[in-house]
Amino acid sequence: DAKTTQPNSMESNEEEPVHLPCNHSTISGTDYIHWYRQLPSQGPEYVIHGLTSNVNNRMASLAIAEDRKSSTLILHRATLRDAAVYYCIKAGGTSYGKLTFGQGTILTVHP
Amino acid sequence: EAGVAQSPRYKIIEKRQSVAFWCNPISGHATLYWYQQILGQGPKLLIQFQNNGVVDDSQLPKDRFSAERLKGVDSTLKIQPAKLEDSAVYLCASSLGRGRRSPLHFGNGTRLTVT
Repeated sequence: DAKTTQPNSMESNEEEPVHLPCNHSTISGTDYIHWYRQLPSQGPEYVIHGLTSNVNNRMASLAIAEDRKSSTLILHRATLRDAAVYYCIKAGGTSYGKLTFGQGTILTVHP
Repeated sequence: EAGVAQSPRYKIIEKRQSVAFWCNPISGHATLYWYQQILGQGPKLLIQFQNNGVVDDSQLPKDRFSAERLKGVDSTLKIQPAKLEDSAVYLCASSLGRGRRSPLHFGNGTRLTVT
């Protein structure tokens, strides 16, 4: 059950868009892609999830490649509060949908 | 809605002692998870309950860790005896349905230090 691959760190400037990439080349047809983020001293926070098509919510957008082997989390206007570790997770493997976290991407937002 | 509640927030014990963590999930959430997060790493799933039954405990060190979820609501995770390498944050999460398409809601965790 291979995990996803994300860059260790990324940087952005405040009020600019941020595109966080994720590779999941071994994804199966029933695996969902989930994104969570974690601020210091807090538990992970759900951001967004999707299966095949692009998804939008109040926090972010999720763009899933046509072959589903990669996806991109888009923060449309980064704020200082978006500085966190972002985890891309391939949810599946069993009928109960095991979520396996990787190392994540540390996002730094500069004022 | 109230979030996932965990207690205690912090715990310091000596090695070979016992410790227990408590979790109260969001009301109505059928699935409950315990994760272990060692400093600098992503959370690792220890055990997953569906209602009060275990559906995945493949990464739970069963010689020292145990967990139960009575009446399909609250859950406790116990370590007996603790080792130095058990120092970590223990996170509880719950979801309405199965994790594949149901978002997980996490508590803020219990930070355990074993000396």
